[in-house]
Amino acid sequence: SQQGEEDPQALSIQEGENATMNCSYKTSINNLQWYRQNSGRGLVHLILIRSNEREKHSGRLRVTLDTSKKSSSLLITASRAADTASYFCATDANYGQNFVFGPGTRLSVLP
Amino acid sequence: EAQVTQNPRYLITVTGKKLTVTCSQNMNHEYMSWYRQDPGLGLRQIYYSMNVEVTDKGDVPEGYKVSRKEKRNFPLILESPSPNQTSLYFCASSLSPGLRETQYFGPGTRLLVL
Repeated sequence: SQQGEEDPQALSIQEGENATMNCSYKTSINNLQWYRQNSGRGLVHLILIRSNEREKHSGRLRVTLDTSKKSSSLLITASRAADTASYFCATDANYGQNFVFGPGTRLSVLP
Repeated sequence: EAQVTQNPRYLITVTGKKLTVTCSQNMNHEYMSWYRQDPGLGLRQIYYSMNVEVTDKGDVPEGYKVSRKEKRNFPLILESPSPNQTSLYFCASSLSPGLRETQYFGPGTRLLVL
């Protein structure tokens, strides 16, 4: 069963616009991470947010976490063509011993 | 350079022919895991290892074996591959278990089973 589910499945925007992706999960978590994957390549870690945090920033990335709604969002501001990729959220399950990834959001940033 | 390496990167094989995909990390990480990625399903964890000689099943372990004899290596073994194991495979490692730590991913192994 999938712990995390990203929404939307696909998103297409113009360069310079902001992109928002959401992640919902089912059971309580300790931590949530967001990863980026360029086509067919390995995932790259973007940001980690702990269950006692509500918001984190890293450069043009802003992540929020709402544990009451069991959801997180990733905002990419002033998007660039190089941001075109798939974005995944990962949550910990089984007392943190293994990770569960959602199916991802495919972001296309058009020049 | 800190990295996770996988070999081979591409593999075409036939049903029933045993194969091994190697994974090695040079960061002295305790935690290692294998994922498969299929369209529309995202990444699903196959097996993970908390440390040497400690392995456990993930969400989709059927048809796979792993071993962790050394800290740096975590090979994935398909004893009798079948076409439904055609997929993109990723090895990952982190300093310790749990999402407290960043997972570092290998470049992936694309497997086609005929």
